[in-house]
Amino acid sequence: KAGVTQTPRYLIKTRGQQVTLSCSPISGHRSVSWYQQTPGQGLQFLFEYFSETQRNKGNFPGRFSGRQFSNSRSEMNVSTLELGDSALYLCASSLFSGDSGNTIYFGEGSWLTVV
Amino acid sequence: GESVGLHLPTLSVQEGDNSIINCAYSNSASDYFIWYKQESGKGPQFIIDIRSNMDKRQGQRVTVLLNKTVKHLSLQIAATQPGDSAVYFCAENIGGSTLGRLYFGRGTQLTVWP
Repeated sequence: KAGVTQTPRYLIKTRGQQVTLSCSPISGHRSVSWYQQTPGQGLQFLFEYFSETQRNKGNFPGRFSGRQFSNSRSEMNVSTLELGDSALYLCASSLFSGDSGNTIYFGEGSWLTVV
Repeated sequence: GESVGLHLPTLSVQEGDNSIINCAYSNSASDYFIWYKQESGKGPQFIIDIRSNMDKRQGQRVTVLLNKTVKHLSLQIAATQPGDSAVYFCAENIGGSTLGRLYFGRGTQLTVWP
């Protein structure tokens, strides 16, 4: 059974550009969440989607957005990139978002460098 | 070896020794806890989890202990191996309106010496 798949794995963007990251959850998983990881701030929650609806959102500016498709695949977008957006972006999936205790599995992440 | 994840972010142990990684959580409403292992350049890998109605849970070479009274979580790794070298994170889920959201600790770097 394939794990959480994220693409692209590495990318370099210029300040002011936008970027779209993609995530395919584990087959059968309906909840997808996104995290940003930086050395200074650690792992921070961006947002979570379930059944194409955003259920939770972290404390990030509106430049960060996401969506989930009917097949549970998800994308996140960052517009008007800033140098501080350089980070590892992690996608995670779980079977169901209706109860705590659902094991949450992470992908390998997308490394974004903004220059 | 023993380490408090938030205050002593590094732990060095000899191969074959047992490791104890500690984590303090802040929200008494948290009802689900997970330990993740993250190797350099990779995403967090699930190790073991525990629900708040349990005090202890064992896996293969790993044990998680939960003390709700003092809001403390620990991960014990038996017979630590070089392959265990990584950053270990504890994460908590509060449930309720934030079901799908995990709150992560800062992490503890475990280094295993041969």
